[in-house]
Amino acid sequence: GEEVAQTPKHLVRGEGQKAKLYCAPIKGHSYVFWYQQVLKNEFKFLISFQNENVFDETGMPKERFSAKCLPNSPCSLEIQATKLEDSAVYFCASSQRLTGQGPNYGYTFGSGTRLTVV
Amino acid sequence: DAKTTQPNSMESNEEEPVHLPCNHSTISGTDYIHWYRQLPSQGPEYVIHGLTSNVNNRMASLAIAEDRKSSTLILHRATLRDAAVYYCILRDTGGSYIPTFGRGTSLIVHP
Repeated sequence: GEEVAQTPKHLVRGEGQKAKLYCAPIKGHSYVFWYQQVLKNEFKFLISFQNENVFDETGMPKERFSAKCLPNSPCSLEIQATKLEDSAVYFCASSQRLTGQGPNYGYTFGSGTRLTVV
Repeated sequence: DAKTTQPNSMESNEEEPVHLPCNHSTISGTDYIHWYRQLPSQGPEYVIHGLTSNVNNRMASLAIAEDRKSSTLILHRATLRDAAVYYCILRDTGGSYIPTFGRGTSLIVHP
């Protein structure tokens, strides 16, 4: 499809529980990015993939966060032992290319998953 | 990515043009200027991008200063659906590829 599909839209977890978020990128897009939006307007880059390979994970809190993009499956972002501070909206974006001019340069974002840790 | 500076918020009336400014005084020669917007409860949406020349598309126009240290996103006739947070981002095609979002400008459109 022509949209990035993120599921679920809302997720509530008790502190210490596991949370798993999913992202289906646009077909044909090789690059997938995950962002965390904690406060209004503030985005934090987490991780990016080129197909099923991790491209850049410099933003990932290594202890509790993990992510995968397997062939023929939605990408996933998993948080083990959630903390209150993990409450945020998590956005996934996909792109056909990384750089360059032209109509395929833009990033397409999903509508996000709102994670609430209570 | 080089830093951008935008006003926190702007207001406009419906049907009027809106000029959203962005300062990027440390822009390098290979940086493209990108604009995204985030509608309420949605992810960011690509609006427009350019390098040196002014650009037009169905959503907006991008006016780039001659020295490239600033740019302006122009919405020719604001509608209520244009109420969103607008982000100006610099993208170095030869270096960091990760879009780095600042705080953006929150546009309020009055009926």
